Amino acid sequence: ETAVFQTPNYHVTQVGNEVSFNCKQTLGHDTMYWYKQDSKKLLKIMFSYNNKQLIVNETVPRRFSPQSSDKAHLNLRIKSVEPEDSAVYLCASRRLGGSYEQYFGPGTRLTVL
Amino acid sequence: AQSVTQPDARVTVSEGASLQLRCKYSYSATPYLFWYVQYPRQGLQLLLKYYSGDPVVQGVNSFEAEFSKSNSSFHLQKASVHWSDSAVYFCALSSAGNKLTFGIGTRVLVRP
Repeated sequence: ETAVFQTPNYHVTQVGNEVSFNCKQTLGHDTMYWYKQDSKKLLKIMFSYNNKQLIVNETVPRRFSPQSSDKAHLNLRIKSVEPEDSAVYLCASRRLGGSYEQYFGPGTRLTVL
Repeated sequence: AQSVTQPDARVTVSEGASLQLRCKYSYSATPYLFWYVQYPRQGLQLLLKYYSGDPVVQGVNSFEAEFSKSNSSFHLQKASVHWSDSAVYFCALSSAGNKLTFGIGTRVLVRP
């Protein structure tokens, strides 16, 4: 099956902990993204990454960092979570140089207590 | 700067009725436009896309959208909705193929 996969589905943690979310795509795409979806369903880009370039949204706090081992994987690490980090984190991918649509994973819902 | 406006936060329609969801964009060049749907507890699924050519584009599940450059709009339509169309619909714009800028989404409730 070709798709975008995310783990875990849900994660509950305490303020100050470190968390890491995984994203893998089997679509053969070159570029991957992380989006944050807040409780009002607003979607904001956090990072875009291909094997050559990381583009960071300037509003993303420094405690967030993307980690990639290859073009099929883009994980997200949050060093010390804050209550406002509670959200759904969506991973997406697209083919560089191809059509511009992005394909999304099911999301990871983070709750920070 | 680019932006997408979805003026209707919620729309309620009866099953079998037609549906139109509005989307207006602001972008200096020719945009790449998309409609995505998000069902509860799921990611976003692409409904349709517009790059160029025929301003009326067909998508999955009998959805279609019409691009209007003069109105800076990309409205989504469906002739007859089903209860399973209840979801949140997002209009999005891509500039030069990189990041997607989303509207706030329109929550659609289809009444039986």
